[in-house]
Amino acid sequence: QSALTQPASVSGSPGQSITISCTGTSSDVGGYNYVSWYQQYPGKAPKLMIYDVSNRPSGVSNRFSGSKSGNTASLTISGLQAEDEADYYCSSYTSSNTLVFGGGTKLTVL
Amino acid sequence: EVQLLESGGGLVQPGGSLRVSCAASGLTFSSSAMSWVRQAPGKGLEWVSAISGSGYSTYYADSVKGRFTISRDNSKNTLYLQMNSVRAEDTAVYYCAQGLLKIIDYWGQGTLVTVSS
Repeated sequence: QSALTQPASVSGSPGQSITISCTGTSSDVGGYNYVSWYQQYPGKAPKLMIYDVSNRPSGVSNRFSGSKSGNTASLTISGLQAEDEADYYCSSYTSSNTLVFGGGTKLTVL
Repeated sequence: EVQLLESGGGLVQPGGSLRVSCAASGLTFSSSAMSWVRQAPGKGLEWVSAISGSGYSTYYADSVKGRFTISRDNSKNTLYLQMNSVRAEDTAVYYCAQGLLKIIDYWGQGTLVTVSS
C-alpha cells in the first residue's frame, strides 16, 4: 500500500489559482472514482473538502474543485485566500479494499 | 452536529498494549461505518482500520494487521481500537472518523499514543 504521490509544497498569491496533483495507479486513483481531498490546519483535525473526485460537501466554498485524468487526481483552488494556507491530503479507495492517502502538500499563500 | 471524542491515548512501552476509544454523538451510530486514521508527529495521514455499522466487516492496513483490532459497541455509541505488540512507529495521533473506505467525512480531534521505553 504505497502512499499516493503529491508535491511537498505549492504556493500562490492571493487571488491566483493553484492546482495540487495526486498520482496513484490503476489499482487506486485510476480504477475508481473514490478520490477525496482534505484540508488540515496545524494541530487540527482534517476537514473533507472534495469527495468522489469532484463533489463538494455542503458548506465548502465553490473555490475548491476536483478532477481526475487517468491515474492522477487534482485539486484546484481558485481565488486564493490567506485562509487557504494549510496542508492538503488526497485519498483513494484501493482494489485491496483499503484506503490510501497521499503524502500531503503544504500550501503557502504568499 | 456530529461529535467524535477520542480517549485512552498515552505512553506505552514497546511490545505493550493500549486501547483507544471514541465516543460518538449527533449521528445514527449503528448505521455509521467508522474508521481510525493516524498521523505520526510531523508526518502525513495514514489509514489504519475501518469497520461497518454492524461490526460484521472489518478492514486493516498491512502495517497493523494481526496486531490491532477494531471493534464497536453500538449500545454505547463507542468505537474502539485495541493495539497490541506496539512499536515505536505506532507513535501518532489517532483520529476517529465517520466513514468507511470510499469517503471519510467527519473527524474527531485525535488522541496521542506514544510508544517509548
